[in-house]
Amino acid sequence: AQSVTQLDSQVPVFEEAPVELRCNYSSSVSVYLFWYVQYPNQGLQLLLKYLSGSTLVESINGFEAEFNKSQTSFHLRKPSVHISDTAEYFCAVRATDTGRRALTFGSGTRLQVQP
Amino acid sequence: DTGVSQDPRHKITKRGQNVTFRCDPISEHNRLYWYRQTLGQGPEFLTYFQNEAQLEKSRLLSDRFSAERPKGSFSTLEIQRTEQGDSAMYLCASSSKRGGDQETQYFGPGTRLLVL
Repeated sequence: AQSVTQLDSQVPVFEEAPVELRCNYSSSVSVYLFWYVQYPNQGLQLLLKYLSGSTLVESINGFEAEFNKSQTSFHLRKPSVHISDTAEYFCAVRATDTGRRALTFGSGTRLQVQP
Repeated sequence: DTGVSQDPRHKITKRGQNVTFRCDPISEHNRLYWYRQTLGQGPEFLTYFQNEAQLEKSRLLSDRFSAERPKGSFSTLEIQRTEQGDSAMYLCASSSKRGGDQETQYFGPGTRLLVL
């Protein structure tokens, strides 16, 4: 079984400041890693994912996350946030075993970007 | 591609009643998933279909819950004898079997259930 811990339930930050949303996971097997975003009154959308290869993955809107196997972490970063980044962010994992496709989510981090 | 759709978007029911939700996945997506999300928590997996076969079920899916995907297209999730603890957002997602996109689950807007 897998578990995901997002230590920060809320992260307030000023516009144009950098931000890091933390994600740690626990698993006895290899996993794929995901970050999903939920904007106000919208459904969950995939932000980025790590499947294999380079441990640094990027999204089209400036977010990046780095898979750190030794620390079992997949922290999400952005060097300069915008008001429009205000949303809830969920980290998720899935066992690489193709027979198991369930995503295990963390409890989410609410990013509040202030002007 | 119109995205994953769910119906109804909101449902209020009395304790003990049965409710049924529908999910229409993205066209040609062969995999369909149901999750439940309560306030302040991330989504929790309930069950997964590949085509019409239900391949994975969570312990959360008690015997009051049943899901079907009879023709491998839309799916229904039924909750019998609803309890107040069933109040949550029920999310549906689908994914493709093709190439690099098969690991991406696309989520619908959800059905918010309130049991009085």
